[in-house]
Amino acid sequence: QKEVEQDPGPLSVPEGAIVSLNCTYSNSAFQYFMWYRQYSRKGPELLMYTYSSGNKEDGRFTAQVDKSSKYISLFIRDSQPSDSATYLCAILTGGGNKLTFGTGTQLKVEL
Amino acid sequence: KAGVTQTPRYLIKTRGQQVTLSCSPISGHRSVSWYQQTPGQGLQFLFEYFSETQRNKGNFPGRFSGRQFSNSRSEMNVSTLELGDSALYLCASSLGVVDSGNTIYFGEGSWLTVV
Repeated sequence: QKEVEQDPGPLSVPEGAIVSLNCTYSNSAFQYFMWYRQYSRKGPELLMYTYSSGNKEDGRFTAQVDKSSKYISLFIRDSQPSDSATYLCAILTGGGNKLTFGTGTQLKVEL
Repeated sequence: KAGVTQTPRYLIKTRGQQVTLSCSPISGHRSVSWYQQTPGQGLQFLFEYFSETQRNKGNFPGRFSGRQFSNSRSEMNVSTLELGDSALYLCASSLGVVDSGNTIYFGEGSWLTVV
């Protein structure tokens, strides 16, 4: 079983829609969860960072961690064409600062 | 505040050659990690350096190596290049150990093409 799994999509939504992106993970001991956004031919940009369980909100973005289900989510409200990118979940899985990434979900927001 | 800076941004090498990539972390950050990103395998952890010591290593062959200098700048080296080493190589930095107030930031990457 992979440590982190993510639906690769692609996901296409109309402008203004609420987007839900999800990942599952294997080890209940994991505590640090990140979401990165990556535009084509660019490096990953940190969007959200959560520790342990619960919700965290930043503008149109909400990150949610459900430790009982080993499930993390990123919600994007009022999606915009500029949100079109690949979204990567990442979890701190090893000694030090080792991140394990999901495969990424490609999102397209259409006018 | 400057972000993570990687050089060169693009390079083309021939099979069998070696390559060195450079990374300058965010000022004050002491942890530097390297990742390889390919369409087939996604983002994979190569290694992490903290205060000039390798703290963790991923599942890559010994052809992949790195080091960190006293000013926290880091280099990674790939020897005897293979076609499959063509990838985006990403550097990430962190203040120290990730905790509730400290996380990891990525650079724009170095695009390596092996021909």
